[in-house]
Amino acid sequence: NAGVTQTPKFQVLKTGQSMTLQCAQDMNHEYMSWYRQDPGMGLRLIHYSVGAGITDQGEVPNGYNVSRSTTEDFPLRLLSAAPSQTSVYFCASSRSGGAGELFFGEGSRLTVL
Amino acid sequence: DAKTTQPPSMDCAEGRAANLPCNHSTISGNEYVYWYRQIHSQGPQYIIHGLKNNETNEMASLIITEDRKSSTLILPHATLRDTAVYYCIVRVANQAGTALIFGKGTTLSVSS
Repeated sequence: NAGVTQTPKFQVLKTGQSMTLQCAQDMNHEYMSWYRQDPGMGLRLIHYSVGAGITDQGEVPNGYNVSRSTTEDFPLRLLSAAPSQTSVYFCASSRSGGAGELFFGEGSRLTVL
Repeated sequence: DAKTTQPPSMDCAEGRAANLPCNHSTISGNEYVYWYRQIHSQGPQYIIHGLKNNETNEMASLIITEDRKSSTLILPHATLRDTAVYYCIVRVANQAGTALIFGKGTTLSVSS
């Protein structure tokens, strides 16, 4: 099993550009989520999904869109990037309902100029 | 989910036990205590979780007070590789639609 795979690992954008951070898991987990991590802030939840076709907002959802068309994939879209979205983004998955252990990807470092 | 309070930082000598405290005074009866850690800028790693009873695995022990308002994560013989940020989280397990909310955690520094 590859676990949770995030791409790209590094990305530089200009203000106003759009992009999608990809997240895929091969553990058949129903629950997937996206966090962002800024210096001194810990991890903050952006969006999460408890299954295909179901998504919900977390603590800091503004500026981000998600969709869950398959169990395996949970992409995070930035429609119009802003410098405030410069951060490290982590995708995570777990068994049904988000119970038990969360498995994290290696992170995607995004810089918006 | 109940909020948690952790000290921002702690130091520990290599080979000694590291005891990381966490207060969760508003925890509900069906909420579990979870611990994760994050080494450098890697993704967080699950350590252990428990409800009422003390728990132990190959990584650590979790001691939960009888009133469940606080807990302690114990790394019995800390090594330099245990230097990390440790997060204490409380949440309801097996509840669809809930999410794990991380705080700022405790930065543990293990020195030789």
